[in-house]
Formats: sequence, structure tokens, C-alpha cells
Amino acid sequence: AQKITQTQPGMFVQEKEAVTLDCTYDTSDPSYGLFWYKQPSSGEMIFLIYQGSYDQQNATEGRYSLNFQKARKSANLVISASQLGDSAMYFCAMRGRSGGSYIPTFGRGTSLIVHP
Amino acid sequence: DTGVSQDPRHKITKRGQNVTFRCDPISEHNRLYWYRQTLGQGPEFLTYFQNEAQLEKSRLLSDRFSAERPKGSFSTLEIQRTEQGDSAMYLCASNGEGAREQFFGPGTRLTVL
Repeated sequence: AQKITQTQPGMFVQEKEAVTLDCTYDTSDPSYGLFWYKQPSSGEMIFLIYQGSYDQQNATEGRYSLNFQKARKSANLVISASQLGDSAMYFCAMRGRSGGSYIPTFGRGTSLIVHP
Repeated sequence: DTGVSQDPRHKITKRGQNVTFRCDPISEHNRLYWYRQTLGQGPEFLTYFQNEAQLEKSRLLSDRFSAERPKGSFSTLEIQRTEQGDSAMYLCASNGEGAREQFFGPGTRLTVL
């Protein structure tokens, strides 16, 4: 079975500083994709960044980068130059094959608060 | 607005009643997903359609839950004989063939009294 673990229930960061949100995963499927989504208080999930298991380089999207360490099975999200609007829940997710089914799995999320 | 839409946004019902939710995906997207999210948890996958075919169903989807996508466009999720444990946010998402990310709707918040 595949599993996503986010061990930080909450994180605080000062505006303009960088923050790392942790994510570890477990899967027996050699081909998988890792995602990060943002969920503001309005509730809508917003896609941030994707990393494929065979991608050689870490993914980057603007202020977001994914620190992919395959041997450690970790896919941490790094947000540079935090902004007040970054305050939200952040979910790490994986899409891979588990027991014959191709099912997306989400972690429990990390609440990020950016303060001035 | 050409995003994913869900209706209703909120539903309050009494235990034992049936409820039905609708999801309209982005028009060119052939894949549609339903998730359930409870407080303090990430979304849990319920089911997945490619066009009108329901290709995956989670073991979470009990016999009281049924989903359809009859013409490969909008989808409905019905919960029969609702229980208090069904109270949650029900999220719908869609994407196109070969796409990586899913585009989520605003969700339907269900409260079972």
C-alpha cells in the first residue's frame, strides 16, 4: 500500500523568509508522481508542483521547489520569500499503483502561517 | 468561469435521508475524481471516471455510495441512508488525458444531523 506522511501539523515563518514543509512517502511502485497542493481557508485545492519518480532534476515552479530525495523517499516543498498569502494548509500527495489500483493518496497536511 | 463547479456548496440533512451532489468538470477534461475530506485530514480518494467509465473505486466507498457520469461530462455522487459519519467535504477534481495535476472544485460540505 502507498502512504504519505507529513509530520509537521503546523509551521510558522516570517514574511520574506524561506520555509520547508516535509513529506515522506512509501510505495512499491517504481513509477509514481508526487504533488503538492495548497488549500486556503476558502477550501479549494490549488496545484503547486509535480515531481515524477524518474525525473532527474528537482522540480521548480516560481517560488516553489521540490527537494526530491528518492533514496530517502522524501519530497519536501520549499517556499522561498514567503508571503502573507501563503498562509494555508499544504498537502503532499502521490499517484502510483497500489494493489493493482492507480489511486491518489494525500497526506494529512501541514498548516503554514506566515506572519509579518 | 471555466473551472470545476460543484453543487450544492452546502447540504444539511437528517440521518437516514438520501443526498445527491453534482460535479461539472472543466469541459475538455475526460477524467473526473471524487474525494472526501474530513476535518484535519487530507482528501481521501473515493472514485475515478475516465469518460463515462468508472475505472477505480476505493474500499471507502460503501454500498450506500454510488457515483455516475452518464454522458462523460458531469457526474453525480449519491449517498443513501446518510449517517453522521458521512459528514465531510466532498471534493470533485478533473484533468485531461496525460495531464499530471488535477483541478479541484470548491467542494460540497455535507452535515448529517
